[in-house]
Amino acid sequence: NAGVTQTPKFQVLKTGQSMTLQCAQDMNHEYMSWYRQDPGMGLRLIHYSVGAGITDQGEVPNGYNVSRSTTEDFPLRLLSAAPSQTSVYFCASSYWEGVSSPLHFGNGTRLTVT
Amino acid sequence: KQEVTQIPAALSVPEGENLVLNCSFTDSAIYNLQWFRQDPGKGLTSLLLIQSSQREQTSGRLNASLDKSSGRSTLYIAASQPGDSATYLCAAQFQGAQKLVFGQGTRLTINP
Repeated sequence: NAGVTQTPKFQVLKTGQSMTLQCAQDMNHEYMSWYRQDPGMGLRLIHYSVGAGITDQGEVPNGYNVSRSTTEDFPLRLLSAAPSQTSVYFCASSYWEGVSSPLHFGNGTRLTVT
Repeated sequence: KQEVTQIPAALSVPEGENLVLNCSFTDSAIYNLQWFRQDPGKGLTSLLLIQSSQREQTSGRLNASLDKSSGRSTLYIAASQPGDSATYLCAAQFQGAQKLVFGQGTRLTINP
């Protein structure tokens, strides 16, 4: 089972460039989310989706866009990269965002913005 | 503000010891609490999930407990092994919220 797949694993961008981080899951999970992990800040939620066509903002949404056209895919778009967006990005999914469904994580994308 | 705290940030113990990792949360109105393991350069792996109606969950050498009234959860690891070395994170889903709030983790080192 592939689980949650993130691409690319590493990326270097220049300030102002845009890019899309890809996330796909093959578990038919309804709930998908994006986190960033920074030293001393822990994991912070960027955006999440409770199903195809439905997205909502998390704690730190500024500078990021998402869409959910299919159940399987949840791409994260950086509109105009800034050095403050240097981080490790994780995509996570669960069968249902309710009480009893553990969250499954991808292996992350390490992004550096120069 | 709903917050999750893990103390200490790092812990080092000899192999074979039983140990307890701590997690505290500020709001007793939670749906569930999850414990995760993160190895260097990897994503998080879910270890145990405790629903608000439960007091504990067990998986192999791991036992997680939940005390909503005191705002605490513990992860007990029995007979620790070097392969248990990793960062352990807890996360709470509070009622009314569609997200998990994560603690900053405890980096555990088991010395052979």
